[in-house]
Parts: sequence; C-alpha cells; structure tokens
Amino acid sequence: GIQVEQSPPDLILQEGANSTLRCNFSDSVNNLQWFHQNPWGQLINLFYIPSGTKQNGRLSATTVATERYSLLYISSSQTTDSGVYFCAVGNFNKFYFGSGTKLNVKP
Amino acid sequence: KAGVTQTPRYLIKTRGQQVTLSCSPISGHRSVSWYQQTPGQGLQFLFEYFSETQRNKGNFPGRFSGRQFSNSRSEMNVSTLELGDSALYLCASSLGTGGNEQYFGPGTRLTVT
Repeated sequence: GIQVEQSPPDLILQEGANSTLRCNFSDSVNNLQWFHQNPWGQLINLFYIPSGTKQNGRLSATTVATERYSLLYISSSQTTDSGVYFCAVGNFNKFYFGSGTKLNVKP
Repeated sequence: KAGVTQTPRYLIKTRGQQVTLSCSPISGHRSVSWYQQTPGQGLQFLFEYFSETQRNKGNFPGRFSGRQFSNSRSEMNVSTLELGDSALYLCASSLGTGGNEQYFGPGTRLTVT
C-alpha cells in the first residue's frame, strides 16, 4: 500500500501563531484530503486537494503531486484549532491515512 | 442536505458475539467506504461498496464483511468478536468510486469485553 508520513507528530502553539503541517506519500495518487478530527472522533473535511492550492479562511493547503507531498497552513491559530489533523491519500476511494499531527493551541 | 449517519453510535459486545453496524450516505452518493480506527494501528481501510458491489478491500480477516443495499445504505458485520476489534468504526460516502471527495460520518464506537 501507499506509505503516508505526517510531520510533525505533535505541535504546541501559542494562540495567534502560524504553523505548517506536512504530508509525504510514497506513490502517485488521484485523491488527497486533509481532515480535522474533533474530540468525538468525527473527521471534518478541510480540503480535497489532489493537486494545486486552495484557501479557506485562515487555512490553506498546497499539494505538489509530482513531488508527492502536501502542506497544510494554519495562520493566526485559535484554541478551537486544537485536535488531530490527518492527511489521507489514495487511488479511487481506498484511502491511506497518515498517523496525524496532534495540535495543541494554548491561550 | 443531511450528512452521513451511522447507527448505533456506541456499542458494547462480548467476545465471540457478532455485531452489525449501519451507515446511511449523503443523498445521491453511491459509494460507501468503511474504516477502523484504533490507537495502535491508526485509521485503516476495510472495504468500499459502490452500486451494491464490493469494489475495494483492505487487509482484514474474513470475519469482517459488508454489504450495500439498493438505496446505497451499507452495513458492516463483524463475527466472532475479539478484544482487538474494539475500535471506532467510520464510514465515508462519496458520489462515485473514482476519487471523489469523501465525507465521513460520526462513527460507531465498539467496545468488546
């Protein structure tokens, strides 16, 4: 299967700081998504981004498919951004997930 | 538009029993995928159904099975439960099977005692 590596595994920020989360994957894919898992376990869609750049408010993402990585940017972080961020990649609808980045934003 | 729904949300079963979990996709979505999340193994793909046919399968034993109905609702069954089957089971729906955006339900938390 496809190997997915997310870094860093843990991140502690002060409110207002910016951060970059990285996702490396081992093979070409036609599907890449970023998720935020809430405390109750539900995966919230952040970006569907098999290639290119997208922005949604304080969050943006870039995927460079030819180099097999994706970046998630969080600007002006808020305490509500805390949680685990997952990158999922795959071909068709079979996703391979990274181990996640656990973000803790302190007030 | 209503999101993906999963029932039940919580379940406690005894080792050796079997369990059936249900997933209703977003209206109009025809693909349903199932995932298992555990602290040790993370999120792992179980299988995908599209138009009542299993299209993809992960590396899980035959005790894990599923099906999809004509209205796209899907069920997942686990027979002869083991302690290691305790996990959060998530289902995801998408329009088709070609790499469309997937939307996840709230999950079913299964505890096997």
